[in-house]
Amino acid sequence: NAGVTQTPKFQVLKTGQSMTLQCAQDMNHNSMYWYRQDPGMGLRLIYYSASEGTTDKGEVPNGYNVSRLNKREFSLRLESAAPSQTSVYFCASGKTGTSFLNEQFFGPGTRLTVL
Amino acid sequence: GIQVEQSPPDLILQEGANSTLRCNFSDSVNNLQWFHQNPWGQLINLFYIPSGTKQNGRLSATTVATERYSLLYISSSQTTDSGVYFCAVQDSGGSNYKLTFGKGTLLTVNP
Repeated sequence: NAGVTQTPKFQVLKTGQSMTLQCAQDMNHNSMYWYRQDPGMGLRLIYYSASEGTTDKGEVPNGYNVSRLNKREFSLRLESAAPSQTSVYFCASGKTGTSFLNEQFFGPGTRLTVL
Repeated sequence: GIQVEQSPPDLILQEGANSTLRCNFSDSVNNLQWFHQNPWGQLINLFYIPSGTKQNGRLSATTVATERYSLLYISSSQTTDSGVYFCAVQDSGGSNYKLTFGKGTLLTVNP
């Protein structure tokens, strides 16, 4: 049981390049999330997927797109990277059951630098 | 949107000391989680605690939902407790899926 996995761990891009961050979870959770973490800002929600086949914007969606490929996988795409997107990106999945409402579990993060 | 404030922002302890971290939130919540971000950046789940009290080893947490605060207690601290502690809440009146994070408490435990 690997939990939430993310690839790559590190990435350096030039301004204008594109890339896709991959996320997968093996906990059979319905909801998945992408956050970014910047110094002094805590974590902020970029996009989320409440269930397979749905996606919605979070607090800071501009410059990003997402795809919920299936129940396990949720990818984040930067179409034209900008220096302001330099950040650490975390993927999470959410557990909901009789005793839990959306308890979220996080992957190890991707450290992205845009030059 | 809901506001989350954590205090203190920084805390330095000697190994073996006890500490209390506080999280205040501005509206009613149906999810509150405490996380530890270790020096390698990994976010580790500590507690899911929208109300009541839980204990796990040297750590315990209490949430008083009616008064809109939560406390995380660390007893007999160890150097491995160092890192940033985040409180995150889900607004019961808003989106069913968004966690709002506080800015964290940076804990340093010296040997």
